[in-house]
Amino acid sequence: EPEVTQTPSHQVTQMGQEVILRCVPISNHLYFYWYRQILGQKVEFLVSFYNNEISEKSEIFDDQFSVERPDGSNFTLKIRSTKLEDSAMYFCASSDSIYNYGYTFGSGTRLTVV
Amino acid sequence: DQQVKQNSPSLSVQEGRISILNCDYTNSMFDYFLWYKKYPAEGPTFLISISSIKDKNEDGRFTVFLNKSAKHLSLHIVPSQPGDSAVYFCAASSPPNYKLTFGKGTLLTVNP
Repeated sequence: EPEVTQTPSHQVTQMGQEVILRCVPISNHLYFYWYRQILGQKVEFLVSFYNNEISEKSEIFDDQFSVERPDGSNFTLKIRSTKLEDSAMYFCASSDSIYNYGYTFGSGTRLTVV
Repeated sequence: DQQVKQNSPSLSVQEGRISILNCDYTNSMFDYFLWYKKYPAEGPTFLISISSIKDKNEDGRFTVFLNKSAKHLSLHIVPSQPGDSAVYFCAASSPPNYKLTFGKGTLLTVNP
């Protein structure tokens, strides 16, 4: 079964450092998403991406965050200057439809900011 | 801002019995509802969904019921199996971009 692949599985970084979380969506999918889950809290939407541009972003997705699809396969989330409160599980997802039933999540990257 | 609420953080049932997980929402614009299952160290896995034009959708042992007037949906698992033990997230979406709004999840434990 096709998978969404995320790397690394764990990332520890110092506060103020830049991190890039990487995702390889399912190859024929057109819609891409990042969500995050702070420990003990709910999964929260960060950003959606379609046709090489952001289609929607949440309040969390401020100027410190950016997304990119640098080639035909990767989809990255960059945090320019990490803060302690950015520590969370970050999930990438992709879909072949805007209507969600084709929504596949990756296994996540656990980001720890120290 | 809890637009999607799962008021039971945990549920424990015996193998073979029915598991009923509940979810309430407040946003009338939601028109598509989904249940995801999540194991530790894995991402959420899509389980079943329902459109707002329906009140029931069934897939094998899983049935989702939607009561729009009460803004309530539930997931029934019959019969429950130990492998069903996981965190279950209710999620809802609305046009135009159909981003998912999740509840906090319910940890289901199915005891052999």
